[in-house]
Parts: sequence; structure tokens; C-alpha cells
Amino acid sequence: EAGVAQSPRYKIIEKRQSVAFWCNPISGHATLYWYQQILGQGPKLLIQFQNNGVVDDSQLPKDRFSAERLKGVDSTLKIQPAKLEDSAVYLCASTFHRESYEQYFGPGTRLTVT
Amino acid sequence: AQSVSQHNHHVILSEAASLELGCNYSYGGTVNLFWYVQYPGQHLQLLLKYFSGDPLVKGIKGFEAEFIKSKFSFNLRKPSVQWSDTAEYFCAVNQAGTALIFGKGTTLSVSS
Repeated sequence: EAGVAQSPRYKIIEKRQSVAFWCNPISGHATLYWYQQILGQGPKLLIQFQNNGVVDDSQLPKDRFSAERLKGVDSTLKIQPAKLEDSAVYLCASTFHRESYEQYFGPGTRLTVT
Repeated sequence: AQSVSQHNHHVILSEAASLELGCNYSYGGTVNLFWYVQYPGQHLQLLLKYFSGDPLVKGIKGFEAEFIKSKFSFNLRKPSVQWSDTAEYFCAVNQAGTALIFGKGTTLSVSS
């Protein structure tokens, strides 16, 4: 079974530029999460999707971050414009359905904002 | 607000030493509890989980954890660590259908 795929794996941009990350969850997984992991901290939820609907985006900085999951499969997370404090690893995770206990994580995208 | 505290930021052990990593949570109601591990250069992987039943749960690679409800704790243990256990360990909690709330992580370094 293929795991959660993410791309790119690394990205370096200057502040005020825009960037987009892509996630392809495990086939059949209805629930998808984006987490932000800043160095020295645990992952923190940015947004949770159930199929193509948003379940929780309470911690998403909506003035600069946006995410979509149009067909209920792949998802993209965008930052525009980026700030220095957005430097982090962005993790995508998925579960079979919302009540599933185990989340499967992708390798993450390491973003450096200079 | 819900939170997870991991007591140790960095633990250094010799091979064959015993390991215990502390985790406490602040969360009202019924919770699910997890330990994830991240080996150098690899994805986050689930070590073990607790959602009901026997409070002593066994996971992969000889790890176990005990849920003590009265102490809001879910400490991770291993009787004898190996060099290959060098990794970062995260405690996490959630309630059904919600995202995970993670602690800050504990880096374990095992010397051979």
C-alpha cells in the first residue's frame, strides 16, 4: 500500500513570496490533515478535511494560508505572502475515516523562508 | 485549552539502559492517546496507541506505555534500549474525529 505522498520535499523562498505544497493521501482515506511543525516543537494542526469539506480550520492563519481539497483526494496548501516565521515542516496526514484512530503521515515539506 | 506536556527534551542513554519518557495531558473527557516516533530522515510512525481497555499497551519494537487516568499520564517505557532507538518521540492525544494534539517531543540519543 502506497503511503501519503507530499511534494516538494524541500523549498526555499524569500519572504513575501508565495509557495504551494501538494499532498496525495492513502487511497480511500476520506480525512486529510495539514500540520505545521516548527523546529523544536510538535506538529500543530492547520486544517482538517473530511472528503472535500473543511472540518476544522480554526488554527489556520487565513490572511496568508489557504488550502483546498477540491475532489476529495489530493490537497494543496498555499502560503501567500510568506513570512520568516513560516519556516517549518509541513506535514500531511490521512485516515480512512474521521473516527479512525491512526493517522498516517507523509514525509513532509521543509520550508525555509529567507 | 487542551495540551500535552513531555517532561524530557533530550534523553541520553547507553545501550541496554531502561527508558521512561513522561507524558501528561490536559484534556477533558474521553481521550485517545498515542506515541509516535520519528527516526532520523523518516516519517512520523505510530509506536502504540490507547483508546480503551487494558491501560498497559504494548507497541512495536518492545515499547509499552501505561495510561494512568488519575494522573492524566501516558508514559512510554522500554526495558532495554538499542542504538537503533535513537529518534524523536512524540506523545499525542485526541478525541474521536479530531486532530492530534502533540507534545513538543523528546529526543532520545542512545550510545553503543
